[in-house]
Amino acid sequence: GAVVSQHPSRVICKSGTSVKIECRSLDFQATTMFWYRQFPKQSLMLMATSNEGSKATYEQGVEKDKFLINHASLTLSTLTVTSAHPEDSSFYICSAKGTGPPGELFFGEGSRLTVL
Amino acid sequence: GENVEQHPSTLSVQEGDSAVIKCTYSDSASNYFPWYKQELGKGPQLIIDIRSNVGEKKDQRIAVTLNKTAKHFSLHITETQPEDSAVYFCAAYNFNKFYFGSGTKLNVKP
Repeated sequence: GAVVSQHPSRVICKSGTSVKIECRSLDFQATTMFWYRQFPKQSLMLMATSNEGSKATYEQGVEKDKFLINHASLTLSTLTVTSAHPEDSSFYICSAKGTGPPGELFFGEGSRLTVL
Repeated sequence: GENVEQHPSTLSVQEGDSAVIKCTYSDSASNYFPWYKQELGKGPQLIIDIRSNVGEKKDQRIAVTLNKTAKHFSLHITETQPEDSAVYFCAAYNFNKFYFGSGTKLNVKP
């Protein structure tokens, strides 16, 4: 299957700082990428959908000013957690949708964010 | 919107036995149904999928069935092995969105 690379896999930061997570589709072009948040022993919670070259669409209850998403190219999307607080600590996972309707969805390996 | 329900939440089987996980969906517009396996601390991995114009698909020890009329689909794993232990998620796709089930933790006992 297609490969989606997510970096960093783990990050620890202090409260008030910002953290950027990158998501790259390595061997295919992804017009649509999704960002999820996963709490322990729970399912994937969709945060936002990003389409290349346009603004991300955020799910209800997700603060767009806190979770900045940029999809600058067909192979790269970034999630920036701004002014991080301990409650932002979580497992963040990106995914990229392949071409063709409906395209298969491939996930990155996830990023564990810990805010001290 | 779409609502995907998944059962059971946990499943424990003996090595070599079969495991079945079931999902139902609510929106008849959903037309693609992937299954993912997630190991601890990792992202979900696509293991099999089925499109709405197909009733069954098999790939070695895993198979998926789809009943469009009843709006349910199932994952079947035969001859389970300890390395099959993980959390499995079903999903339904429509209108450029994927809707996930709540997950099933499968434990295969040696």
